[in-house]
This record gives sequence, structure tokens and C-alpha cells, in this order.
Amino acid sequence: EVRLVESGGGLVQPGGSLRLSCAASGFTFSSHWMHWVRQAPGNGLMWLSRINNDGRSTIYADSVKGRFTISRDNAKNTLYLQINGLRAEDTAVYYCARVSSDWHVDYWGHGTLVTVSS
Amino acid sequence: DIVLTQSPDSLAVSLGERATINCKSSQSVLHYSNNKNLLAWYQHKPGQPPKLLIYWASTRESGVPDRISGSGSGTDFTLTISSLQAEDVAVYYCQHYHSPPPLFGQGTKVEIK
Repeated sequence: EVRLVESGGGLVQPGGSLRLSCAASGFTFSSHWMHWVRQAPGNGLMWLSRINNDGRSTIYADSVKGRFTISRDNAKNTLYLQINGLRAEDTAVYYCARVSSDWHVDYWGHGTLVTVSS
Repeated sequence: DIVLTQSPDSLAVSLGERATINCKSSQSVLHYSNNKNLLAWYQHKPGQPPKLLIYWASTRESGVPDRISGSGSGTDFTLTISSLQAEDVAVYYCQHYHSPPPLFGQGTKVEIK
């Protein structure tokens, strides 16, 4: 069974940093590209970033480029999202998601909540 | 960037009636290599992760009830729930995966009338 479990969210002050993790199991993690997506309160889904299977290729939404860094450790079956310079508007549930062999996203984690507030 | 615009933003449908959601792309999402439309549909309920319903614009994911279907090609796509059930109340999103960034539509909220 494919499982994606996010962690690392919490309450953080503006300007702070967080590293989110996504522990993968039930599939060959190193064979799949992965995404991070978020949903702010009252808003829709927003795509943030994608990483290829070996971690050498990454892309970001323009709005987070320079502050967010996606990475992965295939030996640990874990995906990461480093977020720096947190702003109130980064408050959201952050989801990791797996890209299928047919290129679409097929599995999602349950998400981790990040709240940016003083 | 390929931008997706969904319509309507919300709709209320009686139980057993048809619900239709549209997704219009700013550019074609038809891929030259396999002649398939690189568009997916997701269902998102509060407190749950999004659930894949449809990929390749019209291929139903395993386990998705056949009352839910996808259609369209190029730039115009439709998600249809042929007979709305109570468990279909959710927000529905289209997403393309043609070229980066793989953006989502803004979502359509489906409620019971």
C-alpha cells in the first residue's frame, strides 16, 4: 500500500524557517518524481515544487522560488521541503504527492499544517 | 504557463441529478508523443487528501464509481457526475501535467440542493 506521511509543520514566527518531511513507503520511492502542493485556508490547491526521481532536477512556482527548496533522500525514502523567510501567507496545509508512471499525480499524503504567526 | 479556468466556481445539484464541471486551458494540453491529453481531475473533501478521479482527461482511476466521467480534448474539458450522491459533496480540481508548472484550476465546490 502506498503511504505518504508528512511531518514538520507547526507554529512558526514570521521570518522563521521550517523543514517539512514526507516519508514514503509501499513503493519504490527512487523511481518516482514527487511534488509539494499546499492549500491555504479558504483557498484552492496551489502547486509549489517538483523534483525528479534522482533529485537532480527541480522546479518551483514563481511565487516561492528562492525561499523554498525541495530535496530528497532516496536512501531514507524521504522527500523534503525547506521553507525560509516564512510569511503569514505561507500558512497552509502542505501536501506531498507522488507522480505516477503515466505522469499524473496519483497519491497524496494527508498533509502537515504550517501556521505563520507572531 | 498553462492556466486552467474552471466553471462554475460552485454548483448545487439535487441528489440523483447531473453535475457538470468545466475546465478550460489557456493552451492545448494534448501531448504530441502519445496523442493524449495531459489533464487530471481530483476530488477534495475537508480534512482529507485530494483523491485522483480521472487522468488522461478521460481515464477513470481504479475504484472510482462509473457515475464519474471525464471528457474533452485540447483546451476544453468536462467532469460529469451523472447521478449526484451525498458522498460526492466536495471541491473538484482539474490539473494539467503537460509542461511545468503543472497548475491547478481554482476549484469547483459541489453541494446538494
